[in-house]
Amino acid sequence: GQSLEQPSEVTAVEGAIVQINCTYQTSGFYGLSWYQQHDGGAPTFLSYNALDGLEETGRFSSFLSRSDSYGYLLLQELQMKDSASYFCAVRDRTGFQKLVFGTGTRLLVSP
Amino acid sequence: EAQVTQNPRYLITVTGKKLTVTCSQNMNHEYMSWYRQDPGLGLRQIYYSMNVEVTDKGDVPEGYKVSRKEKRNFPLILESPSPNQTSLYFCASSLGSGGDYEQYFGPGTRLTVT
Repeated sequence: GQSLEQPSEVTAVEGAIVQINCTYQTSGFYGLSWYQQHDGGAPTFLSYNALDGLEETGRFSSFLSRSDSYGYLLLQELQMKDSASYFCAVRDRTGFQKLVFGTGTRLLVSP
Repeated sequence: EAQVTQNPRYLITVTGKKLTVTCSQNMNHEYMSWYRQDPGLGLRQIYYSMNVEVTDKGDVPEGYKVSRKEKRNFPLILESPSPNQTSLYFCASSLGSGGDYEQYFGPGTRLTVT
């Protein structure tokens, strides 16, 4: 099975850089995804890493180290609208197509 | 517009009264799934489907049923709802396997069972 650990909450100020970590334990691994969810809204896809290294998409980047079973989401030039919950997710190899999410990190951006 | 729709958006019901939450997608996606979201527990997958007539259990399938008779629809059935099924439910779809492709989520259904 899978378990994913994320910090429960992170705070930062506008314009800063913040890193949200995700460590996982899994008997098999395909890749790590990240989703953003604003209060009252639905999760939306941010990124997917299948291979080691950094993937950059605008202000957001995602990193994966398969040997360390670790990944992170990096948010640069923080804006107030980035205040949201962020979830990492992995596909469960033992469950064939099952998808497992972390418990989420709440990011609070202050002026 | 590409989207996943769920109905109803809000539902208050009583213990034991069977209910169905509908989910439909217009993107011709193969993979569909249901999640429940509870405070502090994140998103937990209930059931998923790789294609028509192919469904499998997620992490928390007890008390739920699903069916996939058409590619676009994936209803969630609670045959005898109980208060511990009070939650926020999301349907999602993706082009392929849930972990390898972007999941598109519906707007959510807030269910209260009294």
